[in-house]
Amino acid sequence: NAGVTQTPKFQVLKTGQSMTLQCAQDMNHEYMSWYRQDPGMGLRLIHYSVGAGITDQGEVPNGYNVSRSTTEDFPLRLLSAAPSQTSVYFCASSYSAGNPSYEQYFGPGTRLTVT
Amino acid sequence: AQSVTQLDSQVPVFEEAPVELRCNYSSSVSVYLFWYVQYPNQGLQLLLKYLSGSTLVKGINGFEAEFNKSQTSFHLRKPSVHISDTAEYFCAVTRGPGANFGNEKLTFGTGTRLTIIP
Repeated sequence: NAGVTQTPKFQVLKTGQSMTLQCAQDMNHEYMSWYRQDPGMGLRLIHYSVGAGITDQGEVPNGYNVSRSTTEDFPLRLLSAAPSQTSVYFCASSYSAGNPSYEQYFGPGTRLTVT
Repeated sequence: AQSVTQLDSQVPVFEEAPVELRCNYSSSVSVYLFWYVQYPNQGLQLLLKYLSGSTLVKGINGFEAEFNKSQTSFHLRKPSVHISDTAEYFCAVTRGPGANFGNEKLTFGTGTRLTIIP
């Protein structure tokens, strides 16, 4: 298994540009999520999904869009990039409720800089 | 809602010395607790978790943590650290038994950077 994969690893955007961060998992996990990591703030949840076709907002959803058309993929879209979105973005996945594992598996991250 | 406080942002420790990284949580319901480790330029990796049962939880790489409900704490310990333990450590919490979905809202602390001094 490749686990959780993210592309790209690095990205530089200009203010106002849009882009999509890709996330895929091959573990048949129902739950997927996006976090951003900023110095001194830990990881903050942006959006999450408990299954294909179901998404919900996390702690910091503004400026981001998600969709979940398949179990495997959970792309994160930046609609109009702002310097405040400069961050490291992590995608994670886990089994659905009822599984005793309750472990989230993280991707390697995407480092985004908005100028 | 749940919250997590990691009291120390940085902890320097001499090699082979013991270390304790502190974590306190706040929640009005039962919780599950986790410690994750992030090595430089990598994603997060689960160190250990408390779901139920014994309050002393053992994880990978010789780490252990103790769940203390009365003090709402979940401190991470290692009796003897190694250079390879240099990393950032995150405590996290989610709703426990009875939640509709698993760990869909994992709340992280701000992290503790562990530096090992040779």
